[in-house]
Amino acid sequence: DTEVTQTPKHLVMGMTNKKSLKCEQHMGHRAMYWYKQKAKKPPELMFVYSYEKLSINESVPSRFSPECPNSSLLNLHLHALQPEDSALYLCASSPGLAGGTDTQYFGPGTRLTVL
Amino acid sequence: AQSVAQPEDQVNVAEGNPLTVKCTYSVSGNPYLFWYVQYPNRGLQFLLKYITGDNLVKGSYGFEAEFNKSQTSFHLKKPSALVSDSALYFCAVRARRYNFNKFYFGSGTKLNVKP
Repeated sequence: DTEVTQTPKHLVMGMTNKKSLKCEQHMGHRAMYWYKQKAKKPPELMFVYSYEKLSINESVPSRFSPECPNSSLLNLHLHALQPEDSALYLCASSPGLAGGTDTQYFGPGTRLTVL
Repeated sequence: AQSVAQPEDQVNVAEGNPLTVKCTYSVSGNPYLFWYVQYPNRGLQFLLKYITGDNLVKGSYGFEAEFNKSQTSFHLKKPSALVSDSALYFCAVRARRYNFNKFYFGSGTKLNVKP
C-alpha cells in the first residue's frame, strides 16, 4: 500500500481565518513533506520532517506552520493567508533511507482558495 | 547547482504511436532520477526511477526510461501511447542539499495523446 491521504480535498478560507490541512500515511515512512503547487508548475518544497523533527524549512512565511504529532501524521496550520497562497498543497512521504534513493509518494492534495 | 530540464512544454502524439518525453539533468555526484505523472487536480504518481545498474528502467503502466550518462539524459518512453496517458509529466533528480536529499523537479511536460 503506497497511499498518502489528505484532508480536506478542497478548502476556501478568508484572509483572517485559521484552518489546518491534514496528511496521513501508514507505510511506516519516516520522512514527510509539504509542497505547494501552482497550476501547470512543478511542486515547490515547503517543509521536510525527518523522524518527526523539522529538517528543512524553505524560507516559508510564518503564516504557514507545520506540525508532526507522530510518525504517521503531518499537519499544516494556516493563518492570515493571502490570495496568492491559493494553490494545490501536496503532502508526500518517503521511507527516510540514507543515500538519496528514497521514492516520495504523494497524496492527492488539498485545493486551497484564499478569498 | 542541481537542475533538471524538460525542454518541451507539450508533446502531441497519436494513439498507438510511440511517445518520448525528454529530460536532461545536471547534478554533482551520483544522479538518482525519477519520473512522476500528474492527472488534473491530483497528486503526483510515481512511475519509475533510476538508481544504478541497467540503463533501461521499466516502470508502471508500460512506461520505461533510458538513462544516458554521457548525454546526461533520462527520457521517458512508451512503445504505444494511450489516450489515457494524457497528463502532466515531471522528471526529478534527487540530490544532496545540506544534510538532506532534496528533489529537484523539471518544469513539466504536458502530454496530449489524440485518438
